[in-house]
Amino acid sequence: NAGVTQTPKFRILKIGQSMTLQCTQDMNHNYMYWYRQDPGMGLKLIYYSVGAGITDKGEVPNGYNVSRSTTEDFPLRLELAAPSQTSVYFCASRGRNYGYTFGSGTRLTVV
Amino acid sequence: DAKTTQPTSMDCAEGRAANLPCNHSTISGNEYVYWYRQIHSQGPQYIIHGLKNNETNEMASLIITEDRKSSTLILPHATLRDTAVYYCIVRPGNTGTASKLTFGTGTRLQVTL
Repeated sequence: NAGVTQTPKFRILKIGQSMTLQCTQDMNHNYMYWYRQDPGMGLKLIYYSVGAGITDKGEVPNGYNVSRSTTEDFPLRLELAAPSQTSVYFCASRGRNYGYTFGSGTRLTVV
Repeated sequence: DAKTTQPTSMDCAEGRAANLPCNHSTISGNEYVYWYRQIHSQGPQYIIHGLKNNETNEMASLIITEDRKSSTLILPHATLRDTAVYYCIVRPGNTGTASKLTFGTGTRLQVTL
């Protein structure tokens, strides 16, 4: 049981480039979330999904897009990367119980 | 969701109990108190949650005051591996909703020899 898997672990992007952060969970959880964490700060919600085909904006969605075509996968797309998107990105999922399971994060630097 | 207030940082000697307070004076009747911790840039880890009764699991105990306006997370015998940022979060317990977690800045617990 791998839990929540995020790839890549590290990435450096140039300003204006695009990339997709991958998130996969093998627990058959309906709810999935993307958070970002800036240095010394708490996590902020970017997007979330309550099931395949359903997504909604969180607190800081600008500059990001998501899709949820399957229960397992919830990729986060960055279009036209900006230095303000330098952060650590965490994906999480939740099933019928109350606890969230987080991935190990993707550390992104935009230069 | 109700707001929470936690001290910025705390120290604890290894082997002693670590008591981490949290104020949530605006908590509503259907909101649970959750605790997560984040060890050095890893993803947050669920610790424990409760509604109004005290709770205990293999990791910690959660003490919630009778008026539910504050709570304390207790790590009974802190070790160096418990050094982390601890987040107190309140949110509705209805599992039928998206139940988004709202993170503050948490309490940085430093366990020392």
